[in-house]
Amino acid sequence: KAGVTQTPRYLIKTRGQQVTLSCSPISGHRSVSWYQQTPGQGLQFLFEYFSETQRNKGNFPGRFSGRQFSNSRSEMNVSTLELGDSALYLCASSIPGPQQFFGPGTRLTVL
Amino acid sequence: GIQVEQSPPDLILQEGANSTLRCNFSDSVNNLQWFHQNPWGQLINLFYIPSGTKQNGRLSATTVATERYSLLYISSSQTTDSGVYFCAVDYGGSQGNLIFGKGTKLSVKP
Repeated sequence: KAGVTQTPRYLIKTRGQQVTLSCSPISGHRSVSWYQQTPGQGLQFLFEYFSETQRNKGNFPGRFSGRQFSNSRSEMNVSTLELGDSALYLCASSIPGPQQFFGPGTRLTVL
Repeated sequence: GIQVEQSPPDLILQEGANSTLRCNFSDSVNNLQWFHQNPWGQLINLFYIPSGTKQNGRLSATTVATERYSLLYISSSQTTDSGVYFCAVDYGGSQGNLIFGKGTKLSVKP
C-alpha cells in the first residue's frame, strides 16, 4: 500500500500571500489530521477531518483552514502568510483508529 | 490540558551502546505512540502501545498506564538510529488529535 503523500514538498512564499497544501491519505483511510512543526512550539495539532467534516480543531487563528474531499484527500490553506508560519506541515491519516500514519511533510518558508 | 514530557532532551551515544528514552504524561490516555523523525522530517511509526510491552528487533517499548509513563529501549544502537524520537498521546475527547512531547534528540557516533 502506498503511504501518505503530501505535495508540494517544499514551498517558498512571501508575507501576505496565501498557500494551499495537499495530502492524500493511505488508501482506505478516511481520517486526515494536520500538524504544524516549528523549532519553538514543536508539533502542534491543526485540525482533523473525517468524511468531509472537520471533527476537531487546534488553537490556531482563522487564517488556517482546511477541507476534505469525497475521496478523502485533504487540503489546508493558510491565508495572509506571516513569517511565523514558516514550518514543516505534516499530514497524518488513519482508518480512523488509534494509529496515525504520517506523510513526508511540506516545508514552508515565508520570506 | 494533558502534558507530555520526554527525557532526556538530548542523548549522544557511541555505536553499539544501549539507551532508554522516557515519556511521562499527566493524565489517563487512550493511545500512546512512539515515532522516529528522520533527518528529512518524516515521522516513522515505531510502536502503538497504550499499555504493556512490545518488541521490534533492537527496539522495544513498555507503557505503564497506571503510572503514566512509557519507555523506549534501543539496544546495540546504530548510526541510522540518529534523529528525534517523539512520544504522542491522545485522550478522551481528542479523537484525531495527538499531543506530542518535545522529543529526545539522539545522536549515535561511529
